[in-house]
Amino acid sequence: ELKVEQNPLFLSMQEGKNYTIYCNYSTTSDRLYWYRQDPGKSLESLFVLLSNGAVKQEGRLMASLDTKARLSTLHITAAVHDLSATYFCAVDPRDNYGQNFVFGPGTRLSVLP
Amino acid sequence: KAGVTQTPRYLIKTRGQQVTLSCSPISGHRSVSWYQQTPGQGLQFLFEYFSETQRNKGNFPGRFSGRQFSNSRSEMNVSTLELGDSALYLCASSLSAGELSYEQYFGPGTRLTVT
Repeated sequence: ELKVEQNPLFLSMQEGKNYTIYCNYSTTSDRLYWYRQDPGKSLESLFVLLSNGAVKQEGRLMASLDTKARLSTLHITAAVHDLSATYFCAVDPRDNYGQNFVFGPGTRLSVLP
Repeated sequence: KAGVTQTPRYLIKTRGQQVTLSCSPISGHRSVSWYQQTPGQGLQFLFEYFSETQRNKGNFPGRFSGRQFSNSRSEMNVSTLELGDSALYLCASSLSAGELSYEQYFGPGTRLTVT
């Protein structure tokens, strides 16, 4: 069974601090996506990572992918309150399983002023 | 370019009833996927349609069904509703061709409450 895990599930941090969210998955895949979800809202695409070693940055967020370790990270630099949301990683295992995206459980981030 | 649209946005139904949700993908996108999001189970894949054919299916009972029309619009139907079907139903569309084809763009969702 394909599993996608995220760590931590809950994260409360002070503004200005740095932190990393981890996403581990159990299948070989070189397609991983990060999404953000605000309460009561839909999913907003943050990053598309399509190869081993891929690194993408947008503002205070940076995502990377290590397909050999089956690990992706989402690094937050100098957090601000506006980053408070739930962050999901999703693995596309289509080549191996023929199924659609498998999402992690999400990391609920709360940035305190 | 308009995004993915879903109707209705909110729905309240009674146990035993059936419901139909609609999704219009981004213009030019031919793949439509449906997901169920609940606090307990998280985001779970229901099914994917491409060119009017179901291409992939998640692990949901047969009460959940869907279809896609020639203009790529999709509907999902849930029959004999149960309390546990209360959820946010998200539709996502993608191009489904080429390297970036599988990037999915999500609609605002339909919040279904079963009483």
